[in-house]
Amino acid sequence: QSALTQPASVSGSPGQSITISCTGTSSDVGAYNYVSWFQHHPGKVPKLLIFDVSERPSGVSNRFSGSKSGNTASLTISGLQAEDEADYYCSSHTRTNWGVIFGGGTKLTVL
Amino acid sequence: QVQLVQSGAEVKRSGAAVKVSCRASGYTFTRYYIHWVKQAPGQGLEWLGIINPRGGSTTYAQKFQGRVTMTRDTSTTTVYIELNSLTSEDTAVYYCVRGPDSGASFLNWLDPWGQGTLVTVSS
Repeated sequence: QSALTQPASVSGSPGQSITISCTGTSSDVGAYNYVSWFQHHPGKVPKLLIFDVSERPSGVSNRFSGSKSGNTASLTISGLQAEDEADYYCSSHTRTNWGVIFGGGTKLTVL
Repeated sequence: QVQLVQSGAEVKRSGAAVKVSCRASGYTFTRYYIHWVKQAPGQGLEWLGIINPRGGSTTYAQKFQGRVTMTRDTSTTTVYIELNSLTSEDTAVYYCVRGPDSGASFLNWLDPWGQGTLVTVSS
């Protein structure tokens, strides 16, 4: 099964907003409201930012928000900060093998 | 607090097997699934599979079926992943991650993460 499709890279200036897309199929992203987003700084452990499409765990900044339309989920980061520079991954429950599938990852550069 | 502590780095020869452990603490071990996730150098995250510590049932990603085995020891609150017939493509950091409640039907909850275990496969 192929990974969910994310742009390889996005960039933005401090203070701006960016959106990262995550496109799947009717067997995963489109089928369930079980999409998560993770932030991963190299050398560190991935951090859960968003679960169930748009829910934030306690302690995660409200600058991070999630949404979904059809087979595509999106992560929006507002008020970009230098420390937001990292890799971002989406994941979804999938009916294929009844498991989890990840996106290929998006590298965010803060200019 | 909830913690997942993994075993140390491993270096293996091609064709060998590796077994990585993940000890859970800070919560009732049998209440939550545990995932295993792989990240090869310069690559993204890849889901390997999941184990339910309550009964030991497993679901593996199709790509790894036949080559991966996940087990658990409830007496030590530890889960294990064993990967055999190693090749250079198995060189990666392997993470254990707490999943959803063991009664959940949908598996897409991954938090918190273990610190990761680097497995290096040499020829």
